[in-house]
Amino acid sequence: DIQMTQSPASLSASLGETVTIECRASEDIYSNLAWYQQKPGNSPQLLIYDANSLADGVPSRFSGSGSGTQYSLKINSLQSEDVASYFCQQYNNYPPWTFGGGTKLELK
Amino acid sequence: EVQLVESGGGLVQPGRSMKLSCAASGFTFSNYGMAWVRQAPTKGLEWVATISYDGSSTYYRDSVKGRFTISRDNAKSTLYLQMNSLRSEDTATYYCTRDQYYSGDFNWFAYWGQGTLVTVSS
Repeated sequence: DIQMTQSPASLSASLGETVTIECRASEDIYSNLAWYQQKPGNSPQLLIYDANSLADGVPSRFSGSGSGTQYSLKINSLQSEDVASYFCQQYNNYPPWTFGGGTKLELK
Repeated sequence: EVQLVESGGGLVQPGRSMKLSCAASGFTFSNYGMAWVRQAPTKGLEWVATISYDGSSTYYRDSVKGRFTISRDNAKSTLYLQMNSLRSEDTATYYCTRDQYYSGDFNWFAYWGQGTLVTVSS
């Protein structure tokens, strides 16, 4: 099974700041990676697929990058509505489809 | 608009059974792979099971293999998860999810329902 490791587990940032969340796979996943946002009390929502493609309706301040085993999600100009947990997920080698442990983003 | 509405959750004793349903609308259900993903209280996301668009292929995580059965009724646009021999560690919110693309390999979880909470406790 491919293990997905996210860092940091939590972070605190100020409005307008740029935030980066990292996701490392236990083996090369060839950009077969998605990112999800889960706001408090809500279901997860797809943000990014294929490592860097924005899902429909996702603001352009979100971006994804990476290759091989290392990937990142960047949020430019942090907004209050971005307070959420973020999860990465690989779909290169399945089953199982595997998620990272999540990153909880709070406002400073 | 894609809508996925789960039902059937609740409190159940260890060792008993429960069946979850997911009513789909806003798309041609029979064209898409579907999956269940769960989330234990205050924990991360965990894939549970996947079924192909026509029901011919199913996949399960190891911890539920032999206990859970994913199925679908394309005529009713409904996805199911039959859960037997439930354990305390199965306690979670269960989400119904849909694949992105028509009749393809299941990749990412493009659409999610609101979830239904299953609590396994005596």
